[in-house]
Amino acid sequence: KAGVTQTPRYLIKTRGQQVTLSCSPISGHRSVSWYQQTPGQGLQFLFEYFSETQRNKGNFPGRFSGRQFSNSRSEMNVSTLELGDSALYLCASTELAGVTGELFFGEGSRLTVL
Amino acid sequence: AQSVTQLDSQVPVFEEAPVELRCNYSSSVSVYLFWYVQYPNQGLQLLLKYLSGSTLVESINGFEAEFNKSQTSFHLRKPSVHISDTAEYFCAVSDGNNDMRFGAGTRLTVKP
Repeated sequence: KAGVTQTPRYLIKTRGQQVTLSCSPISGHRSVSWYQQTPGQGLQFLFEYFSETQRNKGNFPGRFSGRQFSNSRSEMNVSTLELGDSALYLCASTELAGVTGELFFGEGSRLTVL
Repeated sequence: AQSVTQLDSQVPVFEEAPVELRCNYSSSVSVYLFWYVQYPNQGLQLLLKYLSGSTLVESINGFEAEFNKSQTSFHLRKPSVHISDTAEYFCAVSDGNNDMRFGAGTRLTVKP
């Protein structure tokens, strides 16, 4: 099985722009979660989608949004970028409805905001 | 909501020495506990997990962790580390409601 695929791997944006990141989960996995990783804050939960519905959301401003498509692929969008949005954005998928099992992570999308 | 505290941000050790990475959690409900490892420029990989049953869980590469409910801990140990174990290790806790919380991470550096 192919693993979790995130695109793009690296990108550079300027303040005020917006960005869309993509995540393709492992085939058969219906739950997709997004995390932001920074040196200062560590791994922070953004949101989780299951069957095209957002089931849980972390404590991030409304500039951060996401969606999931019928094929379980997910995208997250950050609008009006700020310098502090520079981070590694990780996507993870799981086949189970609840997070009692293993999360499978992609390699991440590294966003740099100038 | 549940939370995780990793007590050491950095742990330097010499090759073949034992190591313990400490993790404490807090939750008002039953939890599921995990250790993930992250190598440079990669995503996280599951190292081991506790869901139920035996409180001692092991990984295929010699790590083990023990769930201690009374002390709300899930420390990770290895009796003899290798250079290749150098990585960042994350402890995580979930209450089964699709919201896995991670600790701040412990950077393990194994020196020759």
